[in-house]
Amino acid sequence: DAGVIQSPRHEVTEMGQEVTLRCKPISGHDYLFWYRQTMMQGLELLVYFNNKAVMDDSGMPKDRFSAKMPNASFSTLKIQPSEPRDSAVYFCATSIGVNTEAFFGQGTRLTVV
Amino acid sequence: GENVEQHPSTLSVQEGDSAVIKCTYSDSASNYFPWYKQELGKGPQLIIDIRSNVGEKKDQRIAVTLNKTAKHFSLHITETQPEDSAVYFCAASTGYGGSQGNLIFGKGTKLSVKP
Repeated sequence: DAGVIQSPRHEVTEMGQEVTLRCKPISGHDYLFWYRQTMMQGLELLVYFNNKAVMDDSGMPKDRFSAKMPNASFSTLKIQPSEPRDSAVYFCATSIGVNTEAFFGQGTRLTVV
Repeated sequence: GENVEQHPSTLSVQEGDSAVIKCTYSDSASNYFPWYKQELGKGPQLIIDIRSNVGEKKDQRIAVTLNKTAKHFSLHITETQPEDSAVYFCAASTGYGGSQGNLIFGKGTKLSVKP
């Protein structure tokens, strides 16, 4: 398996634009997590899915962020409208179950100017 | 909710010395404590984990200890090598569903091993 695949690796966009981050989980992993990493806040959980259903999105600013998992092999994180404070590295991670190893993708470095 | 504190934020050691990173957590219901290593430009990768029914676990040069009474756990790296240089994160989880099933991460420790 190629591991967790995220795209794009880098994204530069202007404030106010829509941004869509994509993730392909490892086959057979029922849990999918979206994390945001910044120097100030570290790794913050935005949302996670179990079997395509949202389990917790309390860390996600819901006025501008939305996350979907339309099928077991694809998830998106959308930001609309984007703001400079959204600049960060966004990681997707997947696992077989709760309290098992989480496998992280390479991340998407987002810069909003 | 759970809160994980990690110290130190930076650590510099000579090659061959030992390195120790400490974490404390707040939720006594937490029962899973993984450690992740993040190299520059990459995502975090699990290096070792421990569950609440175990006090210590070793894997070659890496060991983790857990004190549930004091609510703290530590990572020990012996005989450090330059390739151990990275950022290390501790995390804690209760393992339940919903908001309590999340991994809560510490802020990270940047370890530098000098040749």
